[in-house]
Amino acid sequence: SAVISQKPSRDICQRGTSLTIQCQVDSQVTMMFWYRQQPGQSLTLIATANQGSEATYESGFVIDKFPISRPNLTFSTLTVSNMSPEDSSIYLCSVRATSGGIYNEQFFGPGTRLTVL
Amino acid sequence: AQSVTQLDSHVSVSEGTPVLLRCNYSSSYSPSLFWYVQHPNKGLQLLLKYTSAATLVKGINGFEAEFKKSETSFHLTKPSAHMSDAAEYFCVVSDQGSGSARQLTFGSGTQLTVLP
Repeated sequence: SAVISQKPSRDICQRGTSLTIQCQVDSQVTMMFWYRQQPGQSLTLIATANQGSEATYESGFVIDKFPISRPNLTFSTLTVSNMSPEDSSIYLCSVRATSGGIYNEQFFGPGTRLTVL
Repeated sequence: AQSVTQLDSHVSVSEGTPVLLRCNYSSSYSPSLFWYVQHPNKGLQLLLKYTSAATLVKGINGFEAEFKKSETSFHLTKPSAHMSDAAEYFCVVSDQGSGSARQLTFGSGTQLTVLP
């Protein structure tokens, strides 16, 4: 299994500012993912972050708004830029296990609860 | 393309009675299916998974789910609800494409309330 920690756990930010969320994993993983969970909604994949390459963004998400860094196999950051109240969500980091053949379990961090005023 | 539909946004049961959370899926490939639970202010926890082995899958905390290909369903059940089961439950599908391309698609979630 993988243990994932995120910082901060929650934050309240002003419109127009940026917040960087950190994700730390207790083991080396190839694939890391960032998800958004808007209030009362399900999880939506923002991007996939692989070490040594540019992140791959899903439709509706762009690098200028959600820049991602992946400097090594245990760490990643997601920045929410130029925030507006619509960015108020829980942001979750997730990793996929590297063992297990065709089935690789995916683990989730506790999330960062962001409120934008 | 893959998708998952959770048929109930809210389910209420009394403590000690059975739980049924319904999920239907659509997938172009042989799917892997999962149920995750999310307790308030906590991360997602994997309850159980189906990956083309036995169609009846047993998970943690007494939960189980049955994969029915003919009905494209993967309903979650538990014989007797406990107060601690109150949480949000997500049904998740993943097609078995190449490992790097395989993504999880989440259902909209079912909020389970357990009444004393």
